[in-house]
Amino acid sequence: GAGVSQSPSNKVTEKGKDVELRCDPISGHTALYWYRQSLGQGLEFLIYFQGNSAPDKSGLPSDRFSAERTGGSVSTLTIQRTQQEDSAVYLCASSPTIAGAGELFFGEGSRLTVL
Amino acid sequence: SQKIEQNSEALNIQEGKTATLTCNYTNYSPAYLQWYRQDPGRGPVFLLLIRENEKEKRKERLKVTFDTTLKQSLFHITASQPADSATYLCAQANAGNNRKLIWGLGTSLAVNP
Repeated sequence: GAGVSQSPSNKVTEKGKDVELRCDPISGHTALYWYRQSLGQGLEFLIYFQGNSAPDKSGLPSDRFSAERTGGSVSTLTIQRTQQEDSAVYLCASSPTIAGAGELFFGEGSRLTVL
Repeated sequence: SQKIEQNSEALNIQEGKTATLTCNYTNYSPAYLQWYRQDPGRGPVFLLLIRENEKEKRKERLKVTFDTTLKQSLFHITASQPADSATYLCAQANAGNNRKLIWGLGTSLAVNP
């Protein structure tokens, strides 16, 4: 596709349920990032994938959060046993640059509401 | 800890004027800074990147400066238009890992016709 695609765009779930958020990066982009954006908070880094290297999971807030990237393309962010504080917009970004200083191409985000 | 600050108050200016947004950073001198635009309900869109050895970078009506002495970046929009109304985010490279950006909270700009 022309840009980063995320689904679903909106998800409302009940506390304790699991959710999966999907990201389709721009074709050929080797780097993929997940960020979280809460009201009044800056973008919070969650996880980074680069090619076949082990992902940088240092931003995941708890072991309820996990992510995978299959075939170096599509990525899924899974939140288990959701809590109300997980409510936020989850943004995926990809970049063609291996090293730092590359611009990030963001999707439109998945807005998660945990009741 | 590494911190980046942007004006929290919304900036309101008249169409045609120059908008100037500020990004201040502490505790670390980043190798580069990036500026993004974010519209409500949308993902951020990259605008400009400036490296520590560059004092100024321009792109059409946009200009970014980087003052490593003041630990500050200024973002200017000249001949502003109502369509420039958005939130502008500043991001810097993380000290330990320059793939991870540290983000400011953004400054909301409203350009009035």
